[in-house]
Amino acid sequence: DSGVTQTPKHLITATGQRVTLRCSPRSGDLSVYWYQQSLDQGLQFLIQYYNGEERAKGNILERFSAQQFPDLHSELNLSSLELGDSALYFCASSVEARNQETQYFGPGTRLLVL
Amino acid sequence: AQSVTQLDSHVSVSEGTPVLLRCNYSSSYSPSLFWYVQHPNKGLQLLLKYTSAATLVKGINGFEAEFKKSETSFHLTKPSAHMSDAAEYFCVVKGSGAGGSYIPTFGRGTSLIVHP
Repeated sequence: DSGVTQTPKHLITATGQRVTLRCSPRSGDLSVYWYQQSLDQGLQFLIQYYNGEERAKGNILERFSAQQFPDLHSELNLSSLELGDSALYFCASSVEARNQETQYFGPGTRLLVL
Repeated sequence: AQSVTQLDSHVSVSEGTPVLLRCNYSSSYSPSLFWYVQHPNKGLQLLLKYTSAATLVKGINGFEAEFKKSETSFHLTKPSAHMSDAAEYFCVVKGSGAGGSYIPTFGRGTSLIVHP
């Protein structure tokens, strides 16, 4: 158990809908990362937050947004969902945001868009 | 720009034989390199990381990797495979991005199959 929790574990929804994925980092970790894992794209970095502020942006679509709250938990909002958004979404956390930081991954949220 | 290439999508070994998972990278900066393992229906777990200290890095569960700058490689090895090593392995490079950020780039993964 990495100490990173994600809810829900599974999510089934329809195209055009909006969902929110939640992540609680390890105690003491200030940095949160979001990733998307799909069969065709592999594991893609989406976005990173550090102590409430956006720190780095990867391949995140405009339909997706995220935020980190004062208690350091984070939410990833996915809107106008498409079939291709079906994937495993991982959250990871680290103490700081340095290059050498080890990231601790949560178990993921499996999203299925029908 | 940075990239990671895992040279084999699948590697099949017998239990007790050596494991070699190959990774080549490119980065404009001195990168940090990581290997993660993902067991079925689980999140990723760090095996080891290179951060410009010793070029031979020892990780958990008997794995190790050697950073070779001249070959831009960071191959993962283990002397003797165990059935529990069967999993997906990811090589990751982290280099500098805009504003001092560090963007991780993941390889496509290598599936390790261990036969009894």
